[in-house]
Formats: sequence, structure tokens, C-alpha cells
Amino acid sequence: EEQLMESGGGLVKPGGSLRLSCAASGFRFTLAWMTWVRQAPGKGLEWVGRMKSSPSGGTTDYAAAVKGRFTISRDDSKSTLYLQMNSLETEDMGVYYCSHDGDFKGRLDSWGQGTLVTVSS
Amino acid sequence: QPGLTQPPSASGTPGQKVTISCSGSSSNIGSNPVNWYQQLPGTAPKLLIYNSNQRPSGFPDRFSGSKSGTSASLAISGLQSDDEADYYCAAWDDSLNGGVFGGGTKLTVL
Repeated sequence: EEQLMESGGGLVKPGGSLRLSCAASGFRFTLAWMTWVRQAPGKGLEWVGRMKSSPSGGTTDYAAAVKGRFTISRDDSKSTLYLQMNSLETEDMGVYYCSHDGDFKGRLDSWGQGTLVTVSS
Repeated sequence: QPGLTQPPSASGTPGQKVTISCSGSSSNIGSNPVNWYQQLPGTAPKLLIYNSNQRPSGFPDRFSGSKSGTSASLAISGLQSDDEADYYCAAWDDSLNGGVFGGGTKLTVL
């Protein structure tokens, strides 16, 4: 069974930084394309970005709202995905989910339970 | 503004059939498969329909999806109280080179 577990959320001041982690198990992480999705309080889902597997080039794509501020990376030896978030804004507040893109076209087969990021002074 | 357009709410009585629409454009739904996610209150989303009309194991055939042109729809027949949830459509957008979600539809079983 695929399992994803996010961690690293918390309270941060506007302009601050935070790094989220996502530990994966139950599938071949080294071949997996991984995606971050977020959900502001009481709002809908928003695609944040994705990272291809290392054999596929390991490249990243980002939503316009976070490009230049957020960076996705991975450590295949630890089956862990990361989301480095800099210059955080109040609009970045919400639950952040990592997910496994099962068909390389956005089919998010499995999701973690999410980690809450609060941006407030 | 979400990339795909869904009605914010839908409702039905137990046993009824409900359909939720999802409208996009040529760069997303028109070019790529549509996926649907179910989010029960207080939980993470789950993949409900993929490739526009396929169901993962674990969801009954009461749930079905379809796509035509730049629109898609999710149908739920034999409505049950357990179906009360938020439903999201999603697709890859070739112009944005990113994923796009609909704004979500809150389904209420009356």
C-alpha cells in the first residue's frame, strides 16, 4: 500500500521560510513523479508543483503563484520529497499535501494526510 | 481563479442520481485526461475517477465519469449519505505546464 507522510508544517512570520518533508513508502520512489498540492483554509485544492523522477531528468515545474519562492527537491536514498518555501506570504497559508503522480500527467494516486502551514505575524 | 469551472454546490436525496459538471479549455480538458477527487470532511483527497472514466478499486460503480470536448462530468447514482463530500475535477494544462483543479463542488445528501 502506498503511504505518504508530510511533516514540517508550523507557524512562520510573513517573509519567513519553512521546509516541508514527505516520507514515501509502498512504491518505487526512485521512479515516482511527485506533486505538492495545497489547500487554503475553507478553500479548494491548488496545484503547487511537481518533480519528475531522477531517471526522467529530475526537473521541476511550479505554479505561477509560487515560482521563484518555492523549490521542490528529493532524496531518493531516503524516499523523501521536500518543499522549501521562502518569502512566505499570508496567501501561502493552508494544508500542504504531497502526492504520487501515477501516470506522469497529473493522476494523483495517493496523498499524504497533509501538514498545516500558518503564516502570521 | 481556478483553472477549471465547477458548480460550488450540488444536492440530492438518497437513491437519486447527481451529476457534477467541470468546464475547461482546449489546453487542459481538451487535450488531457480528467481526474476526479473525493474529499470527505477533515480528510485528504482521494482519487475517485482517472483517465476521464476509469475507477480505482475501492470505489463502487455508482461513480462514473465522462468527457466531451472541453467539458467533463461526474455522475453519482444511488446517492448515499456517505457520499457527502467535496468533489474536485483536475487535469494537466499544456499551456501552463502545470496541473489545474476545479474550485470544488460540495455535495449535500438531503
